[in-house]
Amino acid sequence: DTGVSQDPRHKITKRGQNVTFRCDPISEHNRLYWYRQTLGQGPEFLTYFQNEAQLEKSRLLSDRFSAERPKGSFSTLEIQRTEQGDSAMYLCASSLPQGVGDGYTFGSGTRLTVV
Amino acid sequence: GQQLNQSPQSMFIQEGEDVSMNCTSSSIFNTWLWYKQDPGEGPVLLIALYKAGELTSNGRLTAQFGITRKDSFLNISASIPSDVGIYFCAGRTGNTGKLIFGQGTTLQVKP
Repeated sequence: DTGVSQDPRHKITKRGQNVTFRCDPISEHNRLYWYRQTLGQGPEFLTYFQNEAQLEKSRLLSDRFSAERPKGSFSTLEIQRTEQGDSAMYLCASSLPQGVGDGYTFGSGTRLTVV
Repeated sequence: GQQLNQSPQSMFIQEGEDVSMNCTSSSIFNTWLWYKQDPGEGPVLLIALYKAGELTSNGRLTAQFGITRKDSFLNISASIPSDVGIYFCAGRTGNTGKLIFGQGTTLQVKP
């Protein structure tokens, strides 16, 4: 499978716990993006990396959120002290530097439920 | 911040009918994209538009990049049951790859 892989697909956690999600992009893609999608809404941009550098962060990314891409390959998104409002689908996408359209691929997402 | 207004919010049509949905923005975009999302999956690209006025087809789907660069529409002709899903428009400014998404149009097709 050469697509974008996300793990886990589903995560249920208690409020206040920390969670971490992983994204493995398409191997030749050096840009990696995180989005959040709540029910009935379109995806909202959170942050993106070019190689290992985090180049942009949305105001949606509070201090409890941190994303890393230490070796410019896979990325992790950690949420500390989860709140019920964090319940959402977290989508990862990857692309080449100039890639949109055909060159921009989403993973299947991680569905987070905070109880 | 930038927002895309997508309409209609939902559609319930008969198989074989044509469908039209559109997106408008107060901001100029240099790329317009249309995605389809099935439950529990990520968005899948349908059509990408890169130039104002561009009209592009992909099978039964046709999309246009508005002349003002602030709007786009998607048409689906002769709908079939597998067209069911949520359709999103997305726009891009600059060259970061960051996409702004509309709120989605939920399409249901009655056989």
